[in-house]
Amino acid sequence: ETGVTQTPRHLVMGMTNKKSLKCEQHLGHNAMYWYKQSAKKPLELMFVYSLEERVENNSVPSRFSPECPNSSHLFLHLHTLQPEDSALYLCASSQDLPSRGVYGYTFGSGTRLTVV
Amino acid sequence: AQKVTQAQTEISVVEKEDVTLDCVYETRDTTYYLFWYKQPPSGELVFLIRRNSFDEQNEISGRYSWNFQKSTSSFNFTITASQVVDSAVYFCALNSGAQKLVFGQGTRLTINP
Repeated sequence: ETGVTQTPRHLVMGMTNKKSLKCEQHLGHNAMYWYKQSAKKPLELMFVYSLEERVENNSVPSRFSPECPNSSHLFLHLHTLQPEDSALYLCASSQDLPSRGVYGYTFGSGTRLTVV
Repeated sequence: AQKVTQAQTEISVVEKEDVTLDCVYETRDTTYYLFWYKQPPSGELVFLIRRNSFDEQNEISGRYSWNFQKSTSSFNFTITASQVVDSAVYFCALNSGAQKLVFGQGTRLTINP
């Protein structure tokens, strides 16, 4: 148990489906992140939330839609994805944003997404 | 701009050998922090160490040691007497006050029995 829980662990979806990835942390952290990890590519930061407010969006296609209803939960809503979106999606949290102090990230185990 | 380079994409050694994973970083800030994370096959990234730019003392934790050299902008990670359980992808990361950590490409380490 890492402190950050992601569900589901594995997801296979068609290109016309709509699904959501869930991330939950009860560490009292204020910042949460979505990362995409594709094969043989660096970790790509997708979204950053601080106290439920989105503070960074790295040019992510609109078919990915994040939601942060409270500081403990983060969702990534998926619709009309492409096969190249298949990847490991990692959620992380930190006590606060890096710009407000240096904090290590706590990562979840990720959701392995396959788009068919 | 911040950048982290891990030039070694994959390393394979035999158990009990020592192995060093290289990390070179770029930043214009004088205050910054460096991290190493381990990603086992289960997927989650596990925090290993954090160092700040003002502390160049090398650190040892069991079989793990880290060599921080500002003169060469490097923060290398050595595993002594490697074990099969050390097999994982290892990431070096940098933060210098931006909203995010910048990660290197990762090094896949395989320890063969």
